[in-house]
Amino acid sequence: GESVGLHLPTLSVQEGDNSIINCAYSNSASDYFIWYKQESGKGPQFIIDIRSNMDKRQGQRVTVLLNKTVKHLSLQIAATQPGDSAVYFCAESYTGRRALTFGSGTRLQVQP
Amino acid sequence: NAGVTQTPKFRVLKTGQSMTLLCAQDMNHEYMYWYRQDPGMGLRLIHYSVGEGTTAKGEVPDGYNVSRLKKQNFLLGLESAAPSQTSVYFCASSYSLGGVYEQYFGPGTRLTVT
Repeated sequence: GESVGLHLPTLSVQEGDNSIINCAYSNSASDYFIWYKQESGKGPQFIIDIRSNMDKRQGQRVTVLLNKTVKHLSLQIAATQPGDSAVYFCAESYTGRRALTFGSGTRLQVQP
Repeated sequence: NAGVTQTPKFRVLKTGQSMTLLCAQDMNHEYMYWYRQDPGMGLRLIHYSVGEGTTAKGEVPDGYNVSRLKKQNFLLGLESAAPSQTSVYFCASSYSLGGVYEQYFGPGTRLTVT
């Protein structure tokens, strides 16, 4: 498939390790945050979301942490697997806005 | 339940030609979106719609037009294609329910303008 984001920052981890992907945002009014996974040649897939009334939310093998004080969002993937290799995007929005603003993405490479 | 589908998957246009990309969703979503994705960049919003018969501009609307004649379909038109419009185009849809919710994406259309 085609490459998505040829010059993206890359995080390389060993299979079985935990991965942490970070995202900074600038709009202090943002109150909804979401992480997507995009595999080569495919559309973005929803991973997990969080609203600003929470600091942490857990899913299956994934955790999102939100630090509103420093406007920082992170995605933690436990026991990273080769199938987790993809580009990960964070996105944000705020109440009353009907669209998301996407970050530029991070490529996760999982080494077997 | 097919989710969000896009037609065509690939297209090559010459400068100045026109075309329409079709997006269809079967989830009864109110909101629909068109994005473009260029290498090294995230998704940028072109146009969106919050309901049948309504459309609004996003971040990069110039050179594109859209229509939402039916709730399940959202069309993106290029009237006179330019090489700068070479990109991968994604359609998405989401619930409304008075707030912001996750968007469901289609598989994308790769457009090359020569």
